[in-house]
Amino acid sequence: AQSVTQLDSQVPVFEEAPVELRCNYSSSVSVYLFWYVQYPNQGLQLLLKYLSGSTLVKGINGFEAEFNKSQTSFHLRKPSVHISDTAEYFCAVSEFTGGFKTIFGAGTRLFVKA
Amino acid sequence: DVKVTQSSRYLVKRTGEKVFLECVQDMDHENMFWYRQDPGLGLRLIYFSYDVKMKEKGDIPEGYSVSREKKERFSLILESASTNQTSMYLCASSFQGATADTQYFGPGTRLTVL
Repeated sequence: AQSVTQLDSQVPVFEEAPVELRCNYSSSVSVYLFWYVQYPNQGLQLLLKYLSGSTLVKGINGFEAEFNKSQTSFHLRKPSVHISDTAEYFCAVSEFTGGFKTIFGAGTRLFVKA
Repeated sequence: DVKVTQSSRYLVKRTGEKVFLECVQDMDHENMFWYRQDPGLGLRLIYFSYDVKMKEKGDIPEGYSVSREKKERFSLILESASTNQTSMYLCASSFQGATADTQYFGPGTRLTVL
C-alpha cells in the first residue's frame, strides 16, 4: 500500500542558507512523484515532478529534487532560500491501481528568517 | 493558465445544515478531486471523479457526497454538517493521460461548523 512520510513537520532556516525537505514513500509498484507548495491562504501549486528519465528533477523558483529508488526517497533541495520561500511544502506519490491514486504527505512548514 | 475556482473562500454553517461546496475548472480536465486539509494530516481525499456522472470514494467519504453533472463542475455536499467537518476543503482537477499528471488546485474553502 502507498504511504508518504515527510520527516520534518517544520524547518526553520536563515535567508540564503541551503535547505533540504525530506520525503520517503512506500509502494509496491512504479510511482510518480511530486512536490507541491502552498503559500498562505492559497491552494497548492506544482513545484516539480518526476515521471521517468533523469532522477534529478529541476522545478520552479530554484528548487530541485532527486529520486532515489533504492532508498525510496524524493528529497527537495534549494541551495539558497529567500524570505518568499516561506510556505508549506507537500510531497505526493501517485501509483496506477486501475486509475491513478495520489497520496499526499502531511506537509513540511518552511520558515525562512532574515 | 488553468483556473480552478471554488464558490466561497470562507463559510460558516450550523450543525445539521446541508452544505454545498462548488468547484469549477476551465481546462476541460477529465479528473476532479475533493480533499480536506487539516494541520498535521496533509491532504486527505474525500471523493474523486474521472468523468461526468461518475464518482469514486476516496479515503474519507463518510458524511459527504458529490455530484458531477457537467464536466467542468464538481460539487461536494455535506448532508448534515457536523463540527468535526470544520476544515479547509480543496478542489483539484487534472488531465487524464497515460501517466499521473499535475493536479491544479483551487484556493480552498475554509468551512467552520458551529
